[in-house]
Amino acid sequence: QVQLVESGGGVVQPGRSLRLSCVGSGYIFSNYGMGWVRQAPGKGLEWVAMLWYDGTNKHYADSVKGRFTISRDNSKNTVYLQMNSLRADDTAVYYCARAGETDIDGLYYYYGMDVWGQGTTVIVSS
Amino acid sequence: DVQMTQSPSSVSASVGDRVTITCRASHDITNWLAWYQQKPGKAPNLLIYTASTLQSGVPSRFSGSGSGTDFTLTISSLQPEDFATYYCQHTKTFPWTFGQGTKVDIK
Repeated sequence: QVQLVESGGGVVQPGRSLRLSCVGSGYIFSNYGMGWVRQAPGKGLEWVAMLWYDGTNKHYADSVKGRFTISRDNSKNTVYLQMNSLRADDTAVYYCARAGETDIDGLYYYYGMDVWGQGTTVIVSS
Repeated sequence: DVQMTQSPSSVSASVGDRVTITCRASHDITNWLAWYQQKPGKAPNLLIYTASTLQSGVPSRFSGSGSGTDFTLTISSLQPEDFATYYCQHTKTFPWTFGQGTKVDIK
């Protein structure tokens, strides 16, 4: 079955770095865009980042731009989120998600996140 | 950036009720809107995309409508497993943004 599994979360001090990983299985990983969404404790969902199926075209939320980097290794069916200069307000559950796409007149468009991982928890605290 | 505003923030309802949740975009997003359901401690689940297309496997009691700036998610007959928090998300341009969520709980 289609599955995403995140890893790499943990407790980290403010200002330090952490790298999250997400492995996809059950589908052709290299055909799909991938993204990250986070949820702070007791709060709503926040879209964080996304990149295209081939690793081009990366997009970020303003709150993480310049600090976080999304990347992928299609040979390993893995997408990464490198998080630098972490702050207390980065504390959240981080979800990896696949971007669903639709074909309109021969062009492909992303319409949302159609497969989600179980999430990995990041706590930024001294 | 496009801002998404959901209403109400919470709704109390009974099994069998019809429930409607509204999402408003700060700019025209045509039909690039998705709806998600999230249960406590679980990842979100895509219900509807492009405003009205039902995701595979999602029960037909869920429906979406709207275009431009105003959108609606309707649950025609609330079931026990539908008590959850619902989020809208626009996918028109980056950054994608979510609404603040609507919690549907038991009256």
